[in-house]
Amino acid sequence: AQKVTQAQTEISVVEKEDVTLDCVYETRDTTYYLFWYKQPPSGELVFLIRRNSFDEQNEISGRYSWNFQKSTSSFNFTITASQVVDSAVYFCALSEAMSISNFGNEKLTFGTGTRLTIIP
Amino acid sequence: EAQVTQNPRYLITVTGKKLTVTCSQNMNHEYMSWYRQDPGLGLRQIYYSMNVEVTDKGDVPEGYKVSRKEKRNFPLILESPSPNQTSLYFCASSGDGANYGYTFGSGTRLTVV
Repeated sequence: AQKVTQAQTEISVVEKEDVTLDCVYETRDTTYYLFWYKQPPSGELVFLIRRNSFDEQNEISGRYSWNFQKSTSSFNFTITASQVVDSAVYFCALSEAMSISNFGNEKLTFGTGTRLTIIP
Repeated sequence: EAQVTQNPRYLITVTGKKLTVTCSQNMNHEYMSWYRQDPGLGLRQIYYSMNVEVTDKGDVPEGYKVSRKEKRNFPLILESPSPNQTSLYFCASSGDGANYGYTFGSGTRLTVV
């Protein structure tokens, strides 16, 4: 069965510090997708990134970066030079795709989330 | 604008009074799903639908019903709500192929008293 673990329940850092949110996943499939979502205090879920299991390249988007390592089943998320607007709950999620042509058929399994607070 | 629209945003109801949370998407997605979010548990899938008239249970389907009569709509029905269904609910739709990835609605915060 698929599982996502976000061991950090809450993190607080001072503004401008870097912070890394950990995500460890379990799956038996060789084809899967990993996601990160941001949930600000307003409650909506904001898509941040999707990564498929065949692409281990790290990705950078502005102050955000993601480190995908299949060897350790981890997909960690780093915010550089954090800002108050980054305060939110962040969810890591896993989807097992049954086949290349079957995208979207599988549920998203979410971690329990990490509440990030940026202190001004 | 591509979006998933849920209504209502907030709802307080009494035990046993049937209610429906509506969900509509304008992206022509085949796949839609409902999740509930509870503290310490993350989001869990309630039901999903792979196409019109094709629905199936997720991890926590008890006490819920869904229907998919049109591609764009996927309502969540609570025929006899109970306090343990107090939660934050999200509807999502997903594209396929290069567009794979879920778009979530804004959420419905339901309180059952």
